[in-house]
Amino acid sequence: GQQVMQIPQYQHVQEGEDFTTYCNSSTTLSNIQWYKQRPGGHPVFLIQLVKSGEVKKQKRLTFQFGEAKKNSSLHITATQTTDVGTYFCAGPYTGTYKYIFGTGTRLKVLA
Amino acid sequence: EAGVAQSPRYKIIEKRQSVAFWCNPISGHATLYWYQQILGQGPKLLIQFQNNGVVDDSQLPKDRFSAERLKGVDSTLKIQPAKLEDSAVYLCASSFLLAGEQYFGPGTRLTVT
Repeated sequence: GQQVMQIPQYQHVQEGEDFTTYCNSSTTLSNIQWYKQRPGGHPVFLIQLVKSGEVKKQKRLTFQFGEAKKNSSLHITATQTTDVGTYFCAGPYTGTYKYIFGTGTRLKVLA
Repeated sequence: EAGVAQSPRYKIIEKRQSVAFWCNPISGHATLYWYQQILGQGPKLLIQFQNNGVVDDSQLPKDRFSAERLKGVDSTLKIQPAKLEDSAVYLCASSFLLAGEQYFGPGTRLTVT
């Protein structure tokens, strides 16, 4: 069935190292959103990408939407302990408004 | 600006009992979502409203779950009867636009024993 997979499932990094999570959909997405969920918290919106091949930056975070609008990535440069949490991609399949969340990548940053 | 409000925050019930959750979205947000998040998984969309109309409810187990959004503002999600596998966090979210950024409430943690 239709699904949105994220890899890796878990990532442990030393503080200061870079981190990347990849989001892959079986079907094209109208747009892609990224959320961060801290342990015990609720998802918090980070960014939305709409155009094919779009790249956006937020300080140390770089987001990319694939040319085929079926994949996306989030890259964090020089991780900090405040980056700890689970990162989810989400989006509606093209032609629908039904939101599908990815499986998530849990990031742990070791000081 | 007030965020998305949900109540209760925690609920423990026995299987076969019923339970209801309440959500008040951000003022002016026409789109409201109910998600189920099982520990270690991503949120799963149960139902999505645009004002008081249903946009999608394809993943709502309609034999036991129901939801309504009277007057296009507050919403309630009900489970009757509950099963052990319904233990999860139920998240409510709202957005200004139909495909826009979503703002989540704190969630209701449901434990079914």
